[in-house]
Amino acid sequence: GAGVSQTPSNKVTEKGKYVELRCDPISGHTALYWYRQSLGQGPEFLIYFQGTGAADDSGLPNDRFFAVRPEGSVSTLKIQRTERGDSAVYLCASSLTPSRGVGYNEQFFGPGTRLTVL
Amino acid sequence: EDKVVQSPLSLVVHEGDTVTLNCSYEVTNFRSLLWYKQEKKAPTFLFMLTSSGIEKKSGRLSSILDKKELFSILNITATQTGDSAIYLCAVDSNYQLIWGAGTKLIIKP
Repeated sequence: GAGVSQTPSNKVTEKGKYVELRCDPISGHTALYWYRQSLGQGPEFLIYFQGTGAADDSGLPNDRFFAVRPEGSVSTLKIQRTERGDSAVYLCASSLTPSRGVGYNEQFFGPGTRLTVL
Repeated sequence: EDKVVQSPLSLVVHEGDTVTLNCSYEVTNFRSLLWYKQEKKAPTFLFMLTSSGIEKKSGRLSSILDKKELFSILNITATQTGDSAIYLCAVDSNYQLIWGAGTKLIIKP
């Protein structure tokens, strides 16, 4: 079946502009995660959705970052007034249920969106 | 503050060599430790470790966890050029994965 997909695969924008990054999780996966990976670093947690609601947005770096998942499937990460420091690969992952409680539900990752802010 | 530290940051070996990658962690609520292989952009799952001393194996790859000393190792024997990748270690702390910076492994033919 189809895996997690992300669009666009690459996005180049100018400082100060607004961008939207889209994630299509695996069908039936209720949990969705956004991560940001800078060059030479491991992925950094941004936000986690359980269904339509953001269960934890503590990783969002500031109020320029916002994410939605209005129907509990597709999610959009929105970045306002982009800065050069926002340049990174933005990874999305989904899992069957949140990885809490008994057992671990593997997070499946999309290919990411490489954001470059000039 | 929760953290995961991997070493070495990068490693270059010749095909056929055996490598050992290290991952140490300090987290407040440990549930499991995971290893991922990252080529291009998306990490792919390798192993999940929850119990100390039980080796997980998959072909030439194996991994083990020491919950007393708070570390894990990933071994790759008889390395091949296709093993070249970034190997990421992550600790599952409730629903968050706390990631290490990764080890960049380069296998020379």
